[in-house]
Amino acid sequence: NAGVMQNPRHLVRRRGQEARLRCSPMKGHSHVYWYRQLPEEGLKFMVYLQKENIIDESGMPKERFSAEFPKEGPSILRIQQVVRGDSAAYFCASSPGRRGRDSYNEQFFGPGTRLTVL
Amino acid sequence: GDSVTQMEGPVTLSEEAFLTINCTYTATGYPSLFWYVQYPGEGLQLLLKATKADDKGSNKGFEATYRKETTSFHLEKGSVQVSDSAVYFCALSPGANSKLTFGKGITLSVRP
Repeated sequence: NAGVMQNPRHLVRRRGQEARLRCSPMKGHSHVYWYRQLPEEGLKFMVYLQKENIIDESGMPKERFSAEFPKEGPSILRIQQVVRGDSAAYFCASSPGRRGRDSYNEQFFGPGTRLTVL
Repeated sequence: GDSVTQMEGPVTLSEEAFLTINCTYTATGYPSLFWYVQYPGEGLQLLLKATKADDKGSNKGFEATYRKETTSFHLEKGSVQVSDSAVYFCALSPGANSKLTFGKGITLSVRP
């Protein structure tokens, strides 16, 4: 069973361009989370999605950032008009969504996309 | 809001040394607590977890006990190996299907 896949692994953009980050969850997982890791910082939650629905976007910047998880295909994190401060590692995690025996659904992380804005 | 505080790093140890990495948290209710490990160039892997007070999570020789009275979840290992060199993150989640709140992480380097 393949793990969570993210692509591209490395992405370079110039200021003002758009960045699209893709996340394919593990097979059978219907919940996706996006986190951002700034240099020397821990991971910060951005958004939580289920198929075709945004459940929690409390960590998303109000402008330029958007996320989707369509019925078919990967989840997409889109950053419009990138700025240098967007340079970071973006991690996606997926979980099955159903309640486990200990009431916790483990989140499985992808390898991340490292975005560099020139 | 919820928060996780980890001790400052980096930490460098000799092989077979004892390891303690401190973690304290602030949260309402009864969160689940986790330690994640990140090896160079990879994503995070769940190392261990505890879902209620006094639970002890353990895996690969690592242990951590959920201490509600001190709001702590310190990570310990009796004898570290070079292969344990990685970044370690403490995290909490308020419940199932909820976001994780992470500490800043600490880099552990183990010398042969």
